Amino acid sequence: EDQVTQSPEALRLQEGESSSLNCSYTVSGLRGLFWYRQDPGKGPEFLFTLYSAGEEKEKERLKATLTKKESFLHITAPKPEDSATYLCAVQAGYGGATNKLIFGTGTLLAVQP
Amino acid sequence: KAGVTQTPRYLIKTRGQQVTLSCSPISGHRSVSWYQQTPGQGLQFLFEYFSETQRNKGNFPGRFSGRQFSNSRSEMNVSTLELGDSALYLCASSLGGAEYGYTFGSGTRLTVV
Repeated sequence: EDQVTQSPEALRLQEGESSSLNCSYTVSGLRGLFWYRQDPGKGPEFLFTLYSAGEEKEKERLKATLTKKESFLHITAPKPEDSATYLCAVQAGYGGATNKLIFGTGTLLAVQP
Repeated sequence: KAGVTQTPRYLIKTRGQQVTLSCSPISGHRSVSWYQQTPGQGLQFLFEYFSETQRNKGNFPGRFSGRQFSNSRSEMNVSTLELGDSALYLCASSLGGAEYGYTFGSGTRLTVV
């Protein structure tokens, strides 16, 4: 069964304290791995798509990397406005039934000033 | 550029009733997907529509149904509501599917009492 697991469930950082969030996955036929950010009361906001092992993408203080079994979201020198729930999702499968995303349960990040 | 619009934002229904939620995708987006988000299960895929046809379906009972109109707007219906249907229902639109990136709406918060 396709599965996505995120760790830690919650993370509290001081402003400027860099860290990484983990997303491990077990799927048949990975087509893409997605990172989203979700603020309270809002829908997920797209951050990155990664397609193959070794791929990396960056956006401001965030950097996402992908291996054959997991993805990391590195947060460098975070600011309080980076506080949110970070969601990892995979698109998997073969043939036509591949347009669903399988989400992890997220990491709740709190950055204190 | 307008985003994905979901109405209503909040809804309170009684067990046994039925409910219809609406989603207007980004102009030009033909794929609309629906997800249920609960604290315990996270985001779970309900179904996806593309050009008025259901292309994918998740593991939810038949009480959950949807449709898409010729202007790509989509509706989701839940009949015979149960307490466990209380959740945030999110709609996401895309040009063609997950690989094009999904844009999520802010969701409809359904409470069943």
